[in-house]
Amino acid sequence: SQTIHQWPATLVQPVGSPLSLECTVEGTSNPNLYWYRQAAGRGLQLLFYSVGIGQISSEVPQNLSASRPQDRQFILSSKKLLLSDSGFYLCAWSLPGQGYISTEAFFGQGTRLTVV
Amino acid sequence: DQQVKQNSPSLSVQEGRISILNCDYTNSMFDYFLWYKKYPAEGPTFLISISSIKDKNEDGRFTVFLNKSAKHLSLHIVPSQPGDSAVYFCAARPFNYGGSQGNLIFGKGTKLSVKP
Repeated sequence: SQTIHQWPATLVQPVGSPLSLECTVEGTSNPNLYWYRQAAGRGLQLLFYSVGIGQISSEVPQNLSASRPQDRQFILSSKKLLLSDSGFYLCAWSLPGQGYISTEAFFGQGTRLTVV
Repeated sequence: DQQVKQNSPSLSVQEGRISILNCDYTNSMFDYFLWYKKYPAEGPTFLISISSIKDKNEDGRFTVFLNKSAKHLSLHIVPSQPGDSAVYFCAARPFNYGGSQGNLIFGKGTKLSVKP
């Protein structure tokens, strides 16, 4: 069975510090991978998605970046955090459908990031 | 501009009664609609979906109705149970021919509270 691991669960970082959140998926190959953010009072906002190693698409311009160094590893980074980066970050995966993304996305447990 | 809207941020229902969660969309180019359920500090979990070619899909206590002419869908939970208390996200998948797009677009969520 497939599992998704995301860590850390909670993180408190000062403004201007770097960020690295890691996500790994097990039990499947060539998954589509996503980073979402849920800010207070807002829905799930897609930040990045990846359909393969080294392939990253950004949905929202910001000071965050994503990388996919391995097939089942997705990393969310920032060189300098802003207060507005606080939120609940979710990694997700879905099966690569025949040319388009499958209907379901499976989410990790999330990381609560507080920038102080 | 929000393409998927959940206009009710919260809903309170008595145990045993019906819960109706609503979702409106503005884009006719969605081919699948999904509902996700999210508990605090956890990632969303897939609940039920419906294809745009159908108007109803049922799974146990959960039924999703789709009204394409009104661009409206709803999730019915009957009977509601205290364990159903969570945030429910409506999501839509843009229809795409053979590309790698089609990422889910989420609403802001509705917090359901089921009172015993």
